[in-house]
Amino acid sequence: TQLLEQSPQFLSIQEGENLTVYCNSSSVFSSLQWYRQEPGEGPVLLVTVVTGGEVKKLKRLTFQFGDARKDSSLHITAAQPGDTGLYLCAGGTYGGSQGNLIFGKGTKLSVKP
Amino acid sequence: DVKVTQSSRYLVKRTGEKVFLECVQDMDHENMFWYRQDPGLGLRLIYFSYDVKMKEKGDIPEGYSVSREKKERFSLILESASTNQTSMYLCASRQQGNLLTGELFFGEGSRLTVL
Repeated sequence: TQLLEQSPQFLSIQEGENLTVYCNSSSVFSSLQWYRQEPGEGPVLLVTVVTGGEVKKLKRLTFQFGDARKDSSLHITAAQPGDTGLYLCAGGTYGGSQGNLIFGKGTKLSVKP
Repeated sequence: DVKVTQSSRYLVKRTGEKVFLECVQDMDHENMFWYRQDPGLGLRLIYFSYDVKMKEKGDIPEGYSVSREKKERFSLILESASTNQTSMYLCASRQQGNLLTGELFFGEGSRLTVL
């Protein structure tokens, strides 16, 4: 069974700090997506990475897909209260009972002003 | 603006009641999904559908059934609700042809409490 482990599970920081969230697996994934879920809302896609070693930037957010396509990281620079939410990684894989997408359990980020 | 709409944001039901959760999408997507989300357990897939009248079991289908009679609508049914089905239920849709990279569009969720 393919699993995605996210760490840390919880993160509480002050506005302006930097942080990194990790998504790790022992399995290879064909793609890796990151979603953010704000309180009371459904998750929203932030980015999709498909190539080992790929780095994508979205304003203050930097996403990296590991060279072996088994892990990914999300780095936020100068966090703001608006970054508060649940960050979910999801690995793309063929077949199985997961509809081609396996979700990690998420990292709950709280950014205090 | 693309949208996935779930019929109820909050429901309170009694043990043994039949519960219907409705989901409608306006993007003409072929794929639709039902997840439940619980603290510490993340998103778990209940059922998904690749197209009209098709359904596939996810990781936790026990106690649930689904219906996909029209492309835009995917219903989740709890035949006899139990307290362990108290949860947040999320519906999502995705365009066919992008199984590994396609974006999932989620609804706002339906929080079900079973007493």
